[in-house]
Amino acid sequence: DTGVSQDPRHKITKRGQNVTFRCDPISEHNRLYWYRQTLGQGPEFLTYFQNEAQLEKSRLLSDRFSAERPKGSFSTLEIQRTEQGDSAMYLCASSSGTGLYEQYFGPGTRLTVT
Amino acid sequence: DQQVKQNSPSLSVQEGRISILNCDYTNSMFDYFLWYKKYPAEGPTFLISISSIKDKNEDGRFTVFLNKSAKHLSLHIVPSQPGDSAVYFCAASHPGGSNYKLTFGKGTLLTVNP
Repeated sequence: DTGVSQDPRHKITKRGQNVTFRCDPISEHNRLYWYRQTLGQGPEFLTYFQNEAQLEKSRLLSDRFSAERPKGSFSTLEIQRTEQGDSAMYLCASSSGTGLYEQYFGPGTRLTVT
Repeated sequence: DQQVKQNSPSLSVQEGRISILNCDYTNSMFDYFLWYKKYPAEGPTFLISISSIKDKNEDGRFTVFLNKSAKHLSLHIVPSQPGDSAVYFCAASHPGGSNYKLTFGKGTLLTVNP
């Protein structure tokens, strides 16, 4: 399977705990994106990497959130001191840098903060 | 402020008929538009896209129409099949300005009845 993969698929955590999600993009895609989706809404942009460089961050990405993409391959999204409002589906997507702008999404990580 | 709007939360059609999903946008900088399909508990799946230099793009049963002056696009599915039942998201971006993030609408739930 050469699609975007995300791990874990589901995460239940208690308020105040830290969580980390992983995304493996389609190989050779140099752009990687994180989005968040809550019930009844479309995905909302969080941050974007081109290779290992984080080029844009949304104002939705508070200082409790941090994302990395070491070596320009997989990426991690960490949420520190989780709050109930962080409960959402976290989606990762990737795209090639060759003039094609379609983004291909992974299955998402469902986070529930209790 | 919602820059991409899908004003119909739901649409129901009979199998074999045409489904028309609508989307409006407010940001005149958007120059690339995409439609995604999403099943529950899965990530969005890319369907079809259109650049602002075109007014129509067709791929099998799916056709996207773009009316730049009205800032409106639509997705036509013909003939509709029960397997098309899903939430459809309209998205827009501005790759011409090196802005690759997608801005999504809230989605339209399509139900195709046998």
